[in-house]
Amino acid sequence: SAVISQKPSRDICQRGTSLTIQCQVDSQVTMMFWYRQQPGQSLTLIATANQGSEATYESGFVIDKFPISRPNLTFSTLTVSNMSPEDSSIYLCSVEEGTSGYNEQFFGPGTRLTVL
Amino acid sequence: AQTVTQSQPEMSVQEAETVTLSCTYDTSESDYYLFWYKQPPSRQMILVIRQEAYKQQNATENRFSVNFQKAAKSFSLKISDSQLGDAAMYFCAYRRREYGNKLVFGAGTILRVKS
Repeated sequence: SAVISQKPSRDICQRGTSLTIQCQVDSQVTMMFWYRQQPGQSLTLIATANQGSEATYESGFVIDKFPISRPNLTFSTLTVSNMSPEDSSIYLCSVEEGTSGYNEQFFGPGTRLTVL
Repeated sequence: AQTVTQSQPEMSVQEAETVTLSCTYDTSESDYYLFWYKQPPSRQMILVIRQEAYKQQNATENRFSVNFQKAAKSFSLKISDSQLGDAAMYFCAYRRREYGNKLVFGAGTILRVKS
C-alpha cells in the first residue's frame, strides 16, 4: 500500500497570506486527490490532480484560491491563497492505487491549518 | 449526485459489547463501492471495511462486519467485542466503481468506548 507524507503537519498563519502544502508518495500514482475537513465536519473533495494535466476542481472550489501542482507521479502541492479564518481546516492528500478491479484510496496524515 | 447520510452524530458502547453504526446513501448507479473509514484523534484515515455493490455477501473483517441492503440503500457497520482503541470518528463513504472517482463521505459518527 502507498505511504503518503504531508508537510507541514500543522501551521498557524495570518489572514491574507498563503500556505503551500506538500504531498509525497512512496510510489508512482496517477490519481491524487486533495480533501478539506473543516472543524468537526466531514471530508469534502477540493480537486483531483492528474500528472501532466490541469487539476479538476469540485463545485465551490476555484483554482485562484487553491492552485495545485502535480509535477510528477509521486508529488503534488496544494496552495491555500489569501487565507481567511474560514480556511482553518485539515487538508488531506489521497492517492488511488491499483491497476484493475478494485483500486484503493490511501490518505496522508493531513495538514492542520489555523488562520488567525 | 450521490449523497451519504449518517444519522447518528455520536454513539457510545461499553467495552466488549457490540455497537452498530448506521449509514444510508443515495445513488442512481448500480456498480459502486461502499466503505467505512475510521479517523482517530491522530487524523489518519484508516480503511475499516469495504463492500462491493455487486456482491450480495456482507463483508467481514475480524470484529467488523457490515449489513448491506442494496435495495434499501443501507450500509451499517457492526463492531463486535468493542475495544478502547475503537474510539474514533467513523465515516461512511461511497465511490463509483470506475478508476479515479472521488469518495463521497457522510457526516461521521463519533464512537466513544467506555471501560
